[in-house]
Amino acid sequence: GDSVTQTEGQVTVSESKSLIINCTYSTTSIAYPNLFWYVRYPGEGLQLLLKVITAGQKGSSRGFEATYNKETTSFHLQKASVQESDSAVYYCALGSNTDKVVFGTGTRLQVSP
Amino acid sequence: DPKIIQKPKYLVAVTGSEKILICEQYLGHNAMYWYRQSAKKPLEFMFSYSYQKLMDNQTASSRFQPQSSKKNHLDLQITALKPDDSATYFCASSQDGSQNTLYFGAGTRLSVL
Repeated sequence: GDSVTQTEGQVTVSESKSLIINCTYSTTSIAYPNLFWYVRYPGEGLQLLLKVITAGQKGSSRGFEATYNKETTSFHLQKASVQESDSAVYYCALGSNTDKVVFGTGTRLQVSP
Repeated sequence: DPKIIQKPKYLVAVTGSEKILICEQYLGHNAMYWYRQSAKKPLEFMFSYSYQKLMDNQTASSRFQPQSSKKNHLDLQITALKPDDSATYFCASSQDGSQNTLYFGAGTRLSVL
């Protein structure tokens, strides 16, 4: 079946430094899947951060970017300069040819002042 | 104001008991879902409903029963609770399923003693 791997459970970054959160995926679908990043702020539900449906394309939102790389089956999340308000849990996700979206384990980002 | 309401936020139950997790969405969506996340595991798809009909069930145990009394409600009844059921349960909705953006509630954290 489909799966998403996030290798880091927690990442700590100093404010104004750059960030990368790794995500790789595996799918049995013939068609290229849709890829998502969701974010969960404390006390809230997950919300969509960005979505890319075409291999090779880049999505961006709120200063975050992720590029859909079908060769390496990766969808890493990057930001050039993080802020304290970015502290949250980030989930990489994949949607193939069903209505079921498959999520990774999540990466907790702690931004220190 | 939150558009997907889950009640309660926290729930403690004893082994063998039965609980109902409540979910209501006020987004006018036609598809609703339940996901679960246990410690250090991915967010795991459980059920999807579309127009109040069960579309997909990935939960092996019949102890988990979704209940949809109205189009914007999808409650989750769990019977014969076990400690392994301890997790945060997330309700979500989307416009009409199949790759549309998911909107999540803040979750119900269930602890089974």
